[in-house]
Amino acid sequence: RKEVEQDPGPFNVPEGATVAFNCTYSNSASQSFFWYRQDCRKEPKLLMSVYSSGNEDGRFTAQLNRASQYISLLIRDSKLSDSATYLCVVNILANQAGTALIFGKGTTLSVSS
Amino acid sequence: DAGVIQSPRHEVTEMGQEVTLRCKPISGHNSLFWYRQTMMRGLELLIYFNNNVPIDDSGMPEDRFSAKMPNASFSTLKIQPSEPRDSAVYFCASSFYRASSSYEQYFGPGTRLTVT
Repeated sequence: RKEVEQDPGPFNVPEGATVAFNCTYSNSASQSFFWYRQDCRKEPKLLMSVYSSGNEDGRFTAQLNRASQYISLLIRDSKLSDSATYLCVVNILANQAGTALIFGKGTTLSVSS
Repeated sequence: DAGVIQSPRHEVTEMGQEVTLRCKPISGHNSLFWYRQTMMRGLELLIYFNNNVPIDDSGMPEDRFSAKMPNASFSTLKIQPSEPRDSAVYFCASSFYRASSSYEQYFGPGTRLTVT
């Protein structure tokens, strides 16, 4: 079983649509959670951290369900510029020095006009 | 401020040749990571360093791969001899790690390696 699983998509939506991505992780010891965004032929960049209480950043909302080991990302009012691949990321045992991140393979979003 | 710097940005080489990828992390960061990304396998961690010390190299595919971090501002990933299946984008990332806190990894632009 892969450590971080995502639906690869692609998700093709019109401008203004609301779209949701889901992610599951296998290691219950995972401590920190993130969504990264990667544009075509570019490097991944942090989009937002995911907190247990859920968090919102403008049109983006992230949710964490530790019991189900499930993370979600909701994008409201989609823009053309949201077209990218969204990577679900977990950090296991964050208290250990230099612990690395585990990346999902990503979900591709294409927003059209 | 400069981000993570990687060189070369593109490398085309023949099978059997030695390849050296270079990375300069963000000044002040104490952790450095090497990743490989392919369509089939996604983004895979190869090795990471904390305070210039290798912490986990279990992701290094085989003995043909080696990585060094001689000081806080420089790291290399070497492949010798290279094979066509090593073709991928290699990313270097750095972060400032503090215990008990989430931290962001900053990625370099990557080196696109093609082995023919």
